[in-house]
Amino acid sequence: EAQVTQNPRYLITVTGKKLTVTCSQNMNHEYMSWYRQDPGLGLRQIYYSMNVEVTDKGDVPEGYKVSRKEKRNFPLILESPSPNQTSLYFCASSLGVTSYEQYFGPGTRLTVT
Amino acid sequence: AQTVTQSQPEMSVQEAETVTLSCTYDTSENNYYLFWYKQPPSRQMILVIRQEAYKQQNATENRFSVNFQKAAKSFSLKISDSQLGDTAMYFCAFMRSPTVNAGNNRKLIWGLGTSLGVNP
Repeated sequence: EAQVTQNPRYLITVTGKKLTVTCSQNMNHEYMSWYRQDPGLGLRQIYYSMNVEVTDKGDVPEGYKVSRKEKRNFPLILESPSPNQTSLYFCASSLGVTSYEQYFGPGTRLTVT
Repeated sequence: AQTVTQSQPEMSVQEAETVTLSCTYDTSENNYYLFWYKQPPSRQMILVIRQEAYKQQNATENRFSVNFQKAAKSFSLKISDSQLGDTAMYFCAFMRSPTVNAGNNRKLIWGLGTSLGVNP
């Protein structure tokens, strides 16, 4: 089944404790992206990747890192999480340069206390 | 910069009736895509329908259809024969055409959503 998976689905952590949210797709998609969703602010892009080893900042990259060592994986890294990073996170992927349809993962609910 | 506005934070409809959700956007681009996504309580983001700006014909997917008015920059979603399973947040989203340039053209710009409740 073609899908985007994220792990964990739920995470409660404490300020400053490094964490990684994984994202994996099995559709051989070139493009991958991370969004965060917050009440009153909607969804905002954090980082994106056009292909392996090609990543760039979105609209709200502060406090986050990403890597794209393999085509299928695009982990989101919070090296020192803070309470303002409490949010719902979505990973999305898309086939290639001219593709407009994006497939979303199930979301990761992160709470930083 | 592009913006997307959904002016109806909440709406409700009776089962089997028709409801229309509004969306307006602002852009100076000529080629772009518009989407409606559904987010049920499970929080999964599900694509409902898409519209290419260069197509004059309004997109239709079963009970879902859009009214795309390019000059007015309006993109409303009509849900016919509403079902209880349609209860969800609905988001309107904009994306520049991936062929415009080599930049980040697949970024989705989102409205803040409309919470739709379908009543039995």
